Amino acid sequence: AQSVTQLDSHVSVSEGTPVLLRCNYSSSYSPSLFWYVQHPNKGLQLLLKYTSAATLVKGINGFEAEFKKSETSFHLTKPSAHMSDAAEYFCVVIPRGGGFKTIFGAGTRLFVKA
Amino acid sequence: EAQVTQNPRYLITVTGKKLTVTCSQNMNHEYMSWYRQDPGLGLRQIYYSMNVEVTDKGDVPEGYKVSRKEKRNFPLILESPSPNQTSLYFCASRTEDRGFFEQYFGPGTRLTVT
Repeated sequence: AQSVTQLDSHVSVSEGTPVLLRCNYSSSYSPSLFWYVQHPNKGLQLLLKYTSAATLVKGINGFEAEFKKSETSFHLTKPSAHMSDAAEYFCVVIPRGGGFKTIFGAGTRLFVKA
Repeated sequence: EAQVTQNPRYLITVTGKKLTVTCSQNMNHEYMSWYRQDPGLGLRQIYYSMNVEVTDKGDVPEGYKVSRKEKRNFPLILESPSPNQTSLYFCASRTEDRGFFEQYFGPGTRLTVT
């Protein structure tokens, strides 16, 4: 069965330090992979997406993610956290080759300390 | 501008009073879907539609109906809302390009059923 696991429900970092949000997936074929961010009481904003063009994907606001097929991972990173990064982050998988489900991770809430 | 729109954005209603949340996309996408987001449960798929007149249940379809009479519209219908349907609802549409997907989310509809 296809699934997405976000390994941390909460991550806390200090402003200016690196951010790492971890995501592992299970899928039969190379899927489409996404990271979305949701600020409190807001909608879902696309941070970045992997669709096979390059394994290192750059997104908005300095975020990037690396697709590692051997590890079935798609971790989200940012070199230096900003207070405005405090939000909930969702790793999302759409299996390749069809399937009509979009599979969401449970989310990781990022706290940024001043 | 490519977008998914939802209306209303906020709705407070009473138990048993039928309501419809509209969703429209301007990208000519075949696939559309509805999700609900609840604290601690993440986003769960309610219904999806692969094309006009083709719909199917997602993970939590009980208490909801949908229709797809035109490609651009995919309304969510609650025939007899109950308090446990209080939630944040997202509509989405997606397209496929050579086996990979791009998806777009609406801004969300916050529904309260008293």
